[in-house]
This record gives sequence, structure tokens and C-alpha cells, in this order.
Amino acid sequence: KAGVTQTPRYLIKTRGQQVTLSCSPISGHRSVSWYQQTPGQGLQFLFEYFSETQRNKGNFPGRFSGRQFSNSRSEMNVSTLELGDSALYLCASSLGIIGANEKLFFGSGTQLSVL
Amino acid sequence: QQPVQSPQAVILREGEDAVINCSSSKALYSVHWYRQKHGEAPVFLMILLKGGEQKGHEKISASFNEKKQQSSLYLTASQLSYSGTYFCGTEYETQGGSEKLVFGKGTKLTVNP
Repeated sequence: KAGVTQTPRYLIKTRGQQVTLSCSPISGHRSVSWYQQTPGQGLQFLFEYFSETQRNKGNFPGRFSGRQFSNSRSEMNVSTLELGDSALYLCASSLGIIGANEKLFFGSGTQLSVL
Repeated sequence: QQPVQSPQAVILREGEDAVINCSSSKALYSVHWYRQKHGEAPVFLMILLKGGEQKGHEKISASFNEKKQQSSLYLTASQLSYSGTYFCGTEYETQGGSEKLVFGKGTKLTVNP
């Protein structure tokens, strides 16, 4: 069974541009969540999608948005990029809604550098 | 509200033991533990539920103290392969259910020969 696939693996953008990251969950998984990882800050929750609906959103500005398609694939978009957006963006999938009995399967992430 | 992990970093020699703590100021519903090796994706270790039993995974086990709202991860007879950053993810109790998973900043564990 293929794991969680994130594309692209690396991205270099300049301030003010926008970027779209993609995540393909494990087959059969309906929940996709996104996290921002920066050195020393751990995994900061961005949002969770389940059956094409956003269930939860973290404390990030409106420049960060996402969506989920009917095949459970998800995209994350960041508009008007800032230097502070440089980070590793991780996507995780699970069978059901994030919760007590759901373990997350993470992708390898997309390393975004904003110059 | 992000849980607090301690210590931030620990260095061990192979065969030594370590304890990593994850504390919350809010009532916990569950605690999840993940390990991330350098340059790799985080990998699931275990989930502990409120009122549940201590869990184990090879020589790694964890407990959940409801009174203290704290979980502890125990690594015994550490191996080189245990090196990595350990994250706890906490799920809080709310009326009618639970909130999203919130991760701590991580504890970097280095095991030397």
C-alpha cells in the first residue's frame, strides 16, 4: 500500500508569490490534515479536512487555505508569501476524523523556502 | 494550547534509559506519541486514552496521569535507532467531544554508541 505522497518535495518562491502544495493520502483514508514545522516550534496545526469539508482550523492567517477533493486528495494554498512562511509543510492522513483512536500517517513533506 | 514537553533535548549512551514528559494545563482526552528521525516523516508510536492502560511498543512504553494531565514516554535500554525527535500530540476534552490534536515542540533524543 502506497504511503502519503506530497508534491513537490522542495519549493523556492519569492515574497508576494503564492504557492500550492499537494497531498495524496493513503488509499481509503478520508481525513487529511496539514501541519507547519519550523525549527524549535514543533508541528503547528493548520487544518483538517474530512469528506471534502474543513473540520478544524489552526491559528494561521487567512492567507493559508486548503481544500479536499472527492478522491480525498488535498491541496494547501498560501497566498502573498512572507519570509516567515519558510517551513516544512507536512500532510497526514487517517482513516477517520482525527481523534482518540486514529493514528496519523505522515508524508515526507514539502520544504518551502521564501526568499 | 500547546502541550509542554520536557526535556527539550537529551543525550544518552546506548543501553541507558530516558523519560520524556508531556504536560497540559487543560483536561486531556488522549495523548499521541510520534517519533521523527532526521529528514524523515513523523512515525506513530502509540495513543493513550483517558482512563486507559499504560501502552508499550518494543522497549518504549508510555503512561497517562490524569491527575497531573501529563503523559510520560519511557525508553528503556536505548538503542541507536531510538535517536530522533519525539512529539506528543494532545487531544483536549470539550463539551460533547474533543478538540483537534495539538503537538508539543518536541524532545530531541540522541543515542550515542
